Amino acid sequence: DQQVKQNSPSLSVQEGRISILNCDYTNSMFDYFLWYKKYPAEGPTFLISISSIKDKNEDGRFTVFLNKSAKHLSLHIVPSQPGDSAVYFCAASGGEKLVFGKGTKLTVNP
Amino acid sequence: GAVVSQHPSRVICKSGTSVKIECRSLDFQATTMFWYRQFPKQSLMLMATSNEGSKATYEQGVEKDKFLINHASLTLSTLTVTSAHPEDSSFYICSADRDRPNTEAFFGQGTRLTVV
Repeated sequence: DQQVKQNSPSLSVQEGRISILNCDYTNSMFDYFLWYKKYPAEGPTFLISISSIKDKNEDGRFTVFLNKSAKHLSLHIVPSQPGDSAVYFCAASGGEKLVFGKGTKLTVNP
Repeated sequence: GAVVSQHPSRVICKSGTSVKIECRSLDFQATTMFWYRQFPKQSLMLMATSNEGSKATYEQGVEKDKFLINHASLTLSTLTVTSAHPEDSSFYICSADRDRPNTEAFFGQGTRLTVV
């Protein structure tokens, strides 16, 4: 039973355009959500998070949107850069532990 | 899809004892595995990178003598918390990279350690 789903395994975007990565969850007890970025052979690095009391959190080029009624969150990267090419993991927490999605591989083409 | 199995999922131990956590890649070989610690509502903290056949690389501030990592085979890495204290109580999670056919990362289910 996959509680956190990233339905797009890959996404390709042109440099300078917007990248939108999506994540759906099923457990209504989740109240904290995070996005991680991962390069090959490296551990994931934390990008941005959002608490369930908010619907938007912005940090530079990265914005996370949370739609609690739809149990959906998304990560927007604007403008996208070639260095953003990586695998992005969505994670959710209900306080006990983190549950990860399977990741979306983003490729930003120059 | 590829699976990383982490065992046990929960463990309670007494102060001063040692606890071993296993991380196995079930259907692929993983030359590199990662160990993380996570506190409630906080992001993951990378503890160390486990390399098959060589010593683990520890992040700054992580005591290598306290958190022993062994990556003896291409499918198994272990984290041993030695002389556990209540402040070691946390959620520990591992991940493994698969290089072929595509580079992907897979996470274990995590281990909830409680030291009493």
